[in-house]
Amino acid sequence: QKEVEQDPGPLSVPEGAIVSLNCTYSNSAFQYFMWYRQYSRKGPELLMYTYSSGNKEDGRFTAQVDKSSKYISLFIRDSQPSDSATYLCAMDRGSTLGRLYFGRGTQLTVWP
Amino acid sequence: DTEVTQTPKHLVMGMTNKKSLKCEQHMGHRAMYWYKQKAKKPPELMFVYSYEKLSINESVPSRFSPECPNSSLLNLHLHALQPEDSALYLCASSQPHRELRNSPLHFGNGTRLTVT
Repeated sequence: QKEVEQDPGPLSVPEGAIVSLNCTYSNSAFQYFMWYRQYSRKGPELLMYTYSSGNKEDGRFTAQVDKSSKYISLFIRDSQPSDSATYLCAMDRGSTLGRLYFGRGTQLTVWP
Repeated sequence: DTEVTQTPKHLVMGMTNKKSLKCEQHMGHRAMYWYKQKAKKPPELMFVYSYEKLSINESVPSRFSPECPNSSLLNLHLHALQPEDSALYLCASSQPHRELRNSPLHFGNGTRLTVT
C-alpha cells in the first residue's frame, strides 16, 4: 500500500462546477498537508498549506484535513478553464528535512 | 513567476557529455532540494541540502552530483547519463525547521532533460 493514495482521474467538469479532489494516507505521523497545482511543462505551484486537522479557505479554494479519517480534500468553487491542470496532494511528518510524500496527481479539465 | 529560478529550461545531452543544471532562490530559504519527475508521475526526491550541507541522498547514482555553493544557489552536475534519466528536474526550497509551521516547499519550473 502506498503511503498516499490519490485518484489520477482524469476528471472533466464544465465551467462553474464545484470540483472535489481527495487523497487518503496511511501514516498517522503526517502533520503538514499541501496541495500543488502543476500546469503542463511547469513546476508544481503551491496552492494550499495546512497544519493538522481543519479547514482553510483561500479565494475559490478550500482545503480540508480530517486526521481521524486520514483524508484530505481540496474544493474548487466556480471552476474556470484556467484551473485545468494536474493537482498533487503532498504531506510530510514535520521533520527538519522537509521530505514530501506525494499522491499520484489528479488531472483536471474544466471545459467552457 | 516563481521565486525559484532554474536554468536551462531545456537540455539535450549525449551519454558522454558533462552538463550542469542550476537553481537560484531569492526567498531567504536555508534548505534546497532536487527532485526528479517522470511523465505523469509525482516528483521523486533526489537530494536535500540544509544550511549548505548535504542532508539526504536518496541513493542517487553517482552520475548525478549535487553542489550547494551558497545558501541561494544549487547545482546538479551530470555526467555519463543514460536515456532513462530523461525527465523534468525540479529544484525546490524551504526553511529547514518545521517550528515555523509555514514553510512549505516552493518549486521552480524545472529543467526538461533529454538524454540521447
